[in-house]
Amino acid sequence: QVQLQESGPGLVKPSETLSLTCAVSGGSLSGNHWTWIRQPPGKGLEWVGYIYYTGTADYNPSLNGRVSISLDMSRNEFSLHVTSMAAADTAVYYCAIGSGRLQFWGQGILVTVSS
Amino acid sequence: EIVLTQSPGTLSLSPGERATLSCRASQSVDNSVAWYQHKPGQAPRLLISGASSRITDIPDRFSGSGSGTDFTLTISRLEPEDFAVYYCQQYRNTPRTFGQGTKVEIK
Repeated sequence: QVQLQESGPGLVKPSETLSLTCAVSGGSLSGNHWTWIRQPPGKGLEWVGYIYYTGTADYNPSLNGRVSISLDMSRNEFSLHVTSMAAADTAVYYCAIGSGRLQFWGQGILVTVSS
Repeated sequence: EIVLTQSPGTLSLSPGERATLSCRASQSVDNSVAWYQHKPGQAPRLLISGASSRITDIPDRFSGSGSGTDFTLTISRLEPEDFAVYYCQQYRNTPRTFGQGTKVEIK
């Protein structure tokens, strides 16, 4: 069974860039899509975007071009980068496997945007 | 963007009762709908994909139905561990979208 684990800073200042990493174990990045989802406090789930193992990616337009996802095949990890972070980006960020149904998820990491 | 509207927002039921959760899409998503269970502090758990296919190891008291724009998740007899928030998700188009969630709480 694939396991995923998010890591990164829990606190980011406004206007800074957030970088999170998702380490994958029990499976390879090859052949799969890899997705990021977030959940602001007290709100529902929001799809951030996904990347295919070939490097093709798709992002939520609501993030206005501030998002990119990258792969590190040698480390079996993928990463999320969000520029110009603002208070509205405060959320639990999850990584998951798949592009449609998301069968395995990480436990999530809370990222707070505050000066 | 396809909007998913879940109803009701909160369902107050007792263990052993039947829960019926609705998810309506703003346009047809064929059968490209998944249902997730989400408990505080945990990762969401995939229950149903393809609108009606139960995922391996999910108890058979969970069932999904529907196609096009109207979908239903049914829990036939609620167990104590079933009290949680449930989300539907469409994967017919990008951006993928989720409903706002239905909270199933103990009455």
